[in-house]
Amino acid sequence: DIVMTQSPLSLPVTPGEPASISCRSSQSLLQTNGHTYLDWYLQKPGQSPQLLIFSVSNRASGVPDRFSGSGSGTDFTLKISRVEADDVGVYYCMQAIQIPRTFGQGTKVEIK
Amino acid sequence: QVQLQQSGPVVVKPSQTLSLTCAISGDSVSSNTAAWNWIRQSPSRGLEWLGRTYYRSRWYNDYAESVKGRITVSPDTSKNQVSLHLSSVTPEDTAIFYCAKQSFDSTAYGGIDYWGHGTLVTVSS
Repeated sequence: DIVMTQSPLSLPVTPGEPASISCRSSQSLLQTNGHTYLDWYLQKPGQSPQLLIFSVSNRASGVPDRFSGSGSGTDFTLKISRVEADDVGVYYCMQAIQIPRTFGQGTKVEIK
Repeated sequence: QVQLQQSGPVVVKPSQTLSLTCAISGDSVSSNTAAWNWIRQSPSRGLEWLGRTYYRSRWYNDYAESVKGRITVSPDTSKNQVSLHLSSVTPEDTAIFYCAKQSFDSTAYGGIDYWGHGTLVTVSS
């Protein structure tokens, strides 16, 4: 199975400031079709996970443009340009190139 | 707008079979651009993908090795729903179980874009 490793696991943030989360995979997520299968999800307190970013850098419907994804191969980053109070929760990366799908451990974002 | 409504027992006895149903509205279980997944979440395992079913001229299934032999994910086209059956459960199977839709076809991928509300299932005698 592909192992997904996130850092940091805890991220205190100041509203209005930027934030960044790293995700590393144990194998390349680049498919022969040229697509890279790495998603980001946010689980707000008491809710189901919700899709933020798919295929590295594509924002899901309704996701604010302060969220952006980047990376290639095995190293990926989720950036929030200006954190808002509503962004608190646990962020997960997930690989979708191979069965079984596997998730990172999660990064808990909280307001300072 | 796709909605996934989960139902099923919240307490299951050890050695018995856990059965959950996910009723789909706003899409078809037979869609050629969707896969219907079951994912669980527990403090010890985090988010763990369990299995999926999808239709591309015929039905396909994929399962995680960790539960293979115990799991069945099956569609019910007459009711437009998907079911999860996990047999021989132990307390380690206690978790929140999510039904979730993944959008994809031969040329495009859209992530796991819809999730059910989650069902906490406790395995206990």
